Amino acid sequence: SQELEQSPQSLIVQEGKNLTINCTSSKTLYGLYWYKQKYGEGLIFLMMLQKGGEEKSHEKITAKLDEKKQQSSLHITASQPSHAGIYLCGATGENTGFQKLVFGTGTRLLVSP
Amino acid sequence: DAGVIQSPRHEVTEMGQEVTLRCKPISGHNSLFWYRQTMMRGLELLIYFNNNVPIDDSGMPEDRFSAKMPNASFSTLKIQPSEPRDSAVYFCASSLDRGGYEKLFFGSGTQLSVL
Repeated sequence: SQELEQSPQSLIVQEGKNLTINCTSSKTLYGLYWYKQKYGEGLIFLMMLQKGGEEKSHEKITAKLDEKKQQSSLHITASQPSHAGIYLCGATGENTGFQKLVFGTGTRLLVSP
Repeated sequence: DAGVIQSPRHEVTEMGQEVTLRCKPISGHNSLFWYRQTMMRGLELLIYFNNNVPIDDSGMPEDRFSAKMPNASFSTLKIQPSEPRDSAVYFCASSLDRGGYEKLFFGSGTQLSVL
């Protein structure tokens, strides 16, 4: 089965600093999703990547899918307290079906003032 | 749009009791998913439905867990009998399956505590 490993597991950054979260798959990624979760709440969709080499940005968050489609990164520029939360990557693989997402272990982000 | 609605938000019960979690997907969505989140195992897919039909229930832990979707606007996840190790946050999500990659919309979850 497909497994997703995220690194780091947790991260504390000072407000205004940049940071990167990585998501590595044991198998080829056919659809890679990034979600954010705040404590006690559900998951909020951030971005979805499909093609090798694809890059998408929304506000200060940029996500990339590498050419081999086995790793994705999420980069936050000039972090703010509102960026704090748990970031999860989710993926569909050829053996899971397009709609069946499996998720990584998550990265807990704290942004200190 | 009201989003995915789950109830109850919190449930505290005693071991051996039956627990029923409820979910109302976004109107018009044809796929529904039940996930469970714990510190140890992260977010796990339990079961998903497409057009009210269970497609994959390989993530359901054991026979104590069952899920139904009697119509397009309602689903339940039942645990009978409940055990302390079932304590977790249970999420319901829905999406519109158009044959490609679609994003899942998540509910706020049900925090289940089994004493």
